[in-house]
Amino acid sequence: GAGVSQSPRYKVAKRGQDVALRCDPISGHVSLFWYQQALGQGPEFLTYFQNEAQLDKSGLPSDRFFAERPEGSVSTLKIQRTQQEDSAVYLCASSWYSGGRSYEQYFGPGTRLTVT
Amino acid sequence: AQSVTQLGSHVSVSEGALVLLRCNYSSSVPPYLFWYVQYPNQGLQLLLKYTSAATLVKGINGFEAEFKKSETSFHLTKPSAHMSDAAEYFCAVSVNTGNQFYFGTGTSLTVIP
Repeated sequence: GAGVSQSPRYKVAKRGQDVALRCDPISGHVSLFWYQQALGQGPEFLTYFQNEAQLDKSGLPSDRFFAERPEGSVSTLKIQRTQQEDSAVYLCASSWYSGGRSYEQYFGPGTRLTVT
Repeated sequence: AQSVTQLGSHVSVSEGALVLLRCNYSSSVPPYLFWYVQYPNQGLQLLLKYTSAATLVKGINGFEAEFKKSETSFHLTKPSAHMSDAAEYFCAVSVNTGNQFYFGTGTSLTVIP
């Protein structure tokens, strides 16, 4: 595909349920990022992958959040035992990587998670 | 530590008027700077980027931004606002020692006909 895709676009979960959010990055992009965007706020960094390696997970808010990218392409963000404060838009972005850094990020449309 | 401050969470301009959205950054090393636009229910789209080349950067849709190191600023401008420019705008900073992007809290632009 031409851009980053995410699924589902909308997810409603009851408190305590587990959810899985999928991200398909642009083909060939080594770097993949997950962000959480609360209403009226800018994206907040959650975690970063370089190929299949999760190099930075400092932004994950709790051990209920888990991300993986097993084959270095598609990534899944899993949230266990969802809480109301998890309600947000979850954005995925991918970018080229060269010379020790990532470049401009290309974002997917996001998954809006509502926990009731 | 790196951070981005966007002054003015809401900006209103008349159609045809100058657009000025402010961004100041804090970085201990030379930064890369970006402006993104977000339309309702969509992801972020890159408008333009500064990567230590020319300090005046031109982007899509007639936007441009000037990197001013002495002022630690990267303000976004457009000479003449269009109705289609109404959206949320985010400034972001990235440093070459890592892979984290730091976003501002955003500025919502309203264009008045």
